[in-house]
Amino acid sequence: GQSLEQPSEVTAVEGAIVQINCTYQTSGFYGLSWYQQHDGGAPTFLSYNALDGLEETGRFSSFLSRSDSYGYLLLQELQMKDSASYFCAVRDYDFNKFYFGSGTKLNVKP
Amino acid sequence: DAGVTQSPTHLIKTRGQHVTLRCSPISGHKSVSWYQQVLGQGPQFIFQYYEKEERGRGNFPDRFSARQFPNYSSELNVNALLLGDSALYLCASRPDRVDYNEQFFGPGTRLTVL
Repeated sequence: GQSLEQPSEVTAVEGAIVQINCTYQTSGFYGLSWYQQHDGGAPTFLSYNALDGLEETGRFSSFLSRSDSYGYLLLQELQMKDSASYFCAVRDYDFNKFYFGSGTKLNVKP
Repeated sequence: DAGVTQSPTHLIKTRGQHVTLRCSPISGHKSVSWYQQVLGQGPQFIFQYYEKEERGRGNFPDRFSARQFPNYSSELNVNALLLGDSALYLCASRPDRVDYNEQFFGPGTRLTVL
């Protein structure tokens, strides 16, 4: 089975940098994804790491270390609109299944 | 192009009833997955369908069933509703490529069981 753990809540100020961690216990997976979900909205895809290392997409970067069973999402130049919940997710080797973490609520303050 | 659409938006049922939720994937997407999201938690995988066949099933009781139609739209059925079935039900589609990892989610159906 798959188990992904994230901090429940993180608070940061506008313009700052914040890192949201994801530790996992899995029986094997293809890669680690990150999704953003605003209150009342649908999850939207942010990034995907198939291999170890850093992937950068604009203000967002994501990192994966399979040896440490660990990944993170890095958000730079925080904006108020970044206030949302962020979920890490793995794509199981039975590649038809995606497993999500419990989510981290990011609060961005002025 | 339209995104993933789901209907209805909201639904209120009583215990013991059954419910049918509907999903239309993005045009050209043959894979549809269903998720249950309880308030404050991450989406939990229920089913994945591809070409009208069930390709994956999560840890949900047999009260939950689904099907996919020739136009790739899908229905999720839940029988004998329990209070604990109250949740946001999300549908997601993705292209028919093994190496494609992004899922496109619909706005969800908010189910309340009284």
